[in-house]
Amino acid sequence: DTEVTQTPKHLVMGMTNKKSLKCEQHMGHRAMYWYKQKAKKPPELMFVYSYEKLSINESVPSRFSPECPNSSLLNLHLHALQPEDSALYLCASSQGLLGGLITGESRPQFAQYFGPGTRLTVL
Amino acid sequence: EDQVTQSPEALRLQEGESSSLNCSYTVSGLRGLFWYRQDPGKGPEFLFTLYSAGEEKEKERLKATLTKKESFLHITAPKPEDSATYLCAVHLFSGTYKYIFGTGTRLKVLA
Repeated sequence: DTEVTQTPKHLVMGMTNKKSLKCEQHMGHRAMYWYKQKAKKPPELMFVYSYEKLSINESVPSRFSPECPNSSLLNLHLHALQPEDSALYLCASSQGLLGGLITGESRPQFAQYFGPGTRLTVL
Repeated sequence: EDQVTQSPEALRLQEGESSSLNCSYTVSGLRGLFWYRQDPGKGPEFLFTLYSAGEEKEKERLKATLTKKESFLHITAPKPEDSATYLCAVHLFSGTYKYIFGTGTRLKVLA
């Protein structure tokens, strides 16, 4: 199973709402990621979890709050968002995150597998 | 500053007309370069990983190559179903981790 699933597919919320995005993978990957993607732009990294611990926060506003309940699940809690936060939110996973020299069997571990995304609209 | 640039921004090809997409990078601590395909409204789909200059990978009509400063994605005899945005990304580690996507090339293959 090489699938990453995300729910919901679409979400419309007001600026005072609280909502959550969910992501799940069953590939045994130990790194999980949240990205934000605007139309005709590349994905922008938001957060990275490695072994269920937050490893990287790319200076994301506190109205976005990530959570990793276990190695298969990743949530993104949303609160008091702004209209400019409307975007496609992508979840991804990879076998690993950091490493030293890459040789032999360890090479494939950094490829990221993406979910279909959640299309978020903030009114 | 680490930079990843893709060219051209957009490309229209006739079916069967081979071409190449470019991903050039100026980075420190390169650990790997990745190619992805993204269809509209969907998440990127992993295609290839390249780790060292001179390395090549092939899959159907696609072939990816890597030099010390750039990577090419060669598309041989493309079909309309190859139409998509092709993204390259670099995995960097020099004390801290970075994963940076290029700006992408939007490919349209006409029947």
